[in-house]
Amino acid sequence: DQQVKQNSPSLSVQEGRISILNCDYTNSMFDYFLWYKKYPAEGPTFLISISSIKDKNEDGRFTVFLNKSAKHLSLHIVPSQPGDSAVYFCAASEPYGQNFVFGPGTRLSVLP
Amino acid sequence: DSGVTQTPKHLITATGQRVTLRCSPRSGDLSVYWYQQSLDQGLQFLIQYYNGEERAKGNILERFSAQQFPDLHSELNLSSLELGDSALYFCASSSTVNTEAFFGQGTRLTVV
Repeated sequence: DQQVKQNSPSLSVQEGRISILNCDYTNSMFDYFLWYKKYPAEGPTFLISISSIKDKNEDGRFTVFLNKSAKHLSLHIVPSQPGDSAVYFCAASEPYGQNFVFGPGTRLSVLP
Repeated sequence: DSGVTQTPKHLITATGQRVTLRCSPRSGDLSVYWYQQSLDQGLQFLIQYYNGEERAKGNILERFSAQQFPDLHSELNLSSLELGDSALYFCASSSTVNTEAFFGQGTRLTVV
């Protein structure tokens, strides 16, 4: 049973617009969430994280929102750039968690 | 550059063989994770070590084993290889549990 879900396998967005990537989780024990970006033939790159004591975290063009009651988080990229085209993975861990559980990923294409 | 080094980058071997994948974590990181990514799939957690001790096990086959050495580098041993073991194997490291992990570039294993 997938504990972390990313229900959109792919997303296309026009350059300059907002990209919104969604992630849902089922394990209510998760309290730390991360987003990673992955280009082909490279390892995932850490983007941004959020702990369950917050509902928003911003880093430049990237903002992560957490809705604990809905067990949902989202990554907003504003404005989107062609270089943002990659696969984005959502990940989660429990308190003192021993591992990160990853979602299946969403492939983002930013069109010029 | 994440600071995590994985060798080799590519490996082609025959069914039934045994291979060893190596990972050097970022300087100072005590925690090492191994993940498997099969074709267009998400990242599947295999195993985690913290300061030389196994901390968590995921969907790791009995044919696979790992260890972390006193100098904190880690090796993932895959034996009796099958065609279905062909995948990208990623190593990641973090300074402690529940902080972001940084990934290496991966080892692409092809079993023929």
